[in-house]
Formats: sequence, structure tokens, C-alpha cells
Amino acid sequence: SQTIHQWPATLVQPVGSPLSLECTVEGTSNPNLYWYRQAAGRGLQLLFYSIGIGQISSEVPQNLSASRPQDRQFILSSKKLLLSDSGFYLCAWSGAGSREKLFFGSGTQLSVL
Amino acid sequence: KQEVTQIPAALSVPEGENLVLNCSFTDSAIYNLQWFRQDPGKGLTSLLLIQSSQREQTSGRLNASLDKSSGRSTLYIAASQPGDSATYLCAAVVSNYQLIWGAGTKLIIKP
Repeated sequence: SQTIHQWPATLVQPVGSPLSLECTVEGTSNPNLYWYRQAAGRGLQLLFYSIGIGQISSEVPQNLSASRPQDRQFILSSKKLLLSDSGFYLCAWSGAGSREKLFFGSGTQLSVL
Repeated sequence: KQEVTQIPAALSVPEGENLVLNCSFTDSAIYNLQWFRQDPGKGLTSLLLIQSSQREQTSGRLNASLDKSSGRSTLYIAASQPGDSATYLCAAVVSNYQLIWGAGTKLIIKP
């Protein structure tokens, strides 16, 4: 069966520090991968998605970047965090195509102070 | 532009009641509609996916319906239990990668 791992679960970082969140998927090949952000009391915002190794699409201009160095690995990064980067970050995967369910990781609560 | 609305924003009912959560969308051109559950501080759990050609899907005590012509989906929960307390989100899939999300309904089941 397929599983998705996301870490760390919580992170407190000072403004201006770098960020690296990692997500890996097991039990499937060539998944679509996604990074979402969920701000407190607000809906889900798609940040990046990837349909293959090295293929990253950005949905929202921001202080963040994403990379997919391996088929089932998706990394969210920042060189210098801003206060506004605080939020709940969720990694997700789906099969290719529009008819597939979306499966989420357990999330990372990021607090930038 | 597709918009997804969930009403009510919050709902509190006694244990054992049957209940309906509503999701409406403005553009009927969707591939499918998905319902998710989110517990506080946790990721989302996929509950049901209804393809655009389908009318409903069932899983245990959950039944989701889809009426594209009216732009509505409902999630029916039978015989509610305290463990059903969570935020329920619906999302309309409009492309291979893009989901348009509702803001969610926070459900509290009182023992």
C-alpha cells in the first residue's frame, strides 16, 4: 500500500533563517506531488506541484521554492524565512490524471518568529 | 472562475443523529469532487471521490452525492459518533493538478 511521510511535524524558525521540509512517498511510481499551505482559519493554498523529476510548477509567487530530486521525494525550501511564511504545510500525492484521489501527509506546523 | 462554498461553517449535533454537509460550486465543468476530513493539527484524510459522471459514492456510514447541473454536493453521515468530530472539506477538481477548495465545515458531535 502507498504511504506518504512528511517531516518534521513542528518547526520553529527565526526570521531570515533557511527552511527545508521533506516529503517522501512509498508504494507508487511517478506520482503527482504537491505542496499546500493552510493558514490559520483559512483554506488550502496550492504552492507547488510536480508531475515528474525536476518538473516543478509554482502556483503562487513567494519566498519559497520546491525541488523533486527523486521520483518520490519532494522538498520545500526557503533561503530566508519571513513572518508571513508561518502556517501549516502539507505534502500530498496523487496518481497521474484528473480522476485520482489526493492523499496527504501529516503536515508540518511552521512558526516563524 | 470556479468557487467552492461550504455551508454551514460549523455544526454541532447530538450523537446518533444523521446529518448533511453541503458543498456548492459555481462551474459545473469539473472532473470530480472529493470530500476530506481533517482532525486538528493533522493532515487531510480522503473520504470519498465522486467522478463527474457519477451521482453518488458510499463508504460505510458516509454517502456523498453530486449534482453537477445544480452545482451541489452533499456528504451524508449516518448515525453520527463523537469520533466523527472534525473539519470536513470538499474540493472540486478542475484539472489534472488543480483542486478548488471549500473553507470547510467544522463538525462537533456531542456525546
